[in-house]
Amino acid sequence: GAGVSQSPSNKVTEKGKDVELRCDPISGHTALYWYRQSLGQGLEFLIYFQGNSAPDKSGLPSDRFSAERTGGSVSTLTIQRTQQEDSAVYLCASSTRWTSGGEQYFGPGTRLTVT
Amino acid sequence: AQSVTQLGSHVSVSEGALVLLRCNYSSSVPPYLFWYVQYPNQGLQLLLKYTSAATLVKGINGFEAEFKKSETSFHLTKPSAHMSDAAEYFCAVSDQTGTYKYIFGTGTRLKVLA
Repeated sequence: GAGVSQSPSNKVTEKGKDVELRCDPISGHTALYWYRQSLGQGLEFLIYFQGNSAPDKSGLPSDRFSAERTGGSVSTLTIQRTQQEDSAVYLCASSTRWTSGGEQYFGPGTRLTVT
Repeated sequence: AQSVTQLGSHVSVSEGALVLLRCNYSSSVPPYLFWYVQYPNQGLQLLLKYTSAATLVKGINGFEAEFKKSETSFHLTKPSAHMSDAAEYFCAVSDQTGTYKYIFGTGTRLKVLA
């Protein structure tokens, strides 16, 4: 079946511009996660959505970052006024269970380059 | 707080040799542990997971890992390396405070020599 998809696969933007990254989770998966993978920081959690519950935004690095999930499915991560340190690969993952042990399925990521 | 340590950011083995990638965790509760592999320009693929059942876990592509509570370890092994195993490997622990988000180790890049 279809896995997690992300778009665009690559995004180059100028410093100060806003960007939107999209994630389509596996159908029926109620939990959705965003992670960032960068050379200096490794893989770090950004935000978590579970059903209609309030998202866990504890990993967002600044108020320039925001995310939403519409209809319990597609999610968009928005970065405003991008900075060079935002350059990274942004990974989305979904899970069928939010209980412990439920493995996460990852998308191919969006590589963001801020020039 | 939970944490994961992967010893060795780069590991090289000869084709056919044993692969051993180390992962130690810190957790105040019984952990749920995962190994993922990442090939160049791809997302993360689950190799195997430990969720408090058998301590020896078998995964895909001939990999296995043993959970050792006394050593707080979850090392990944494969008896015989193949060229196609060259990739980056991540160990992760699942946070158990409600979101079950992953806390990742820093990763180990495996190189397989012909």
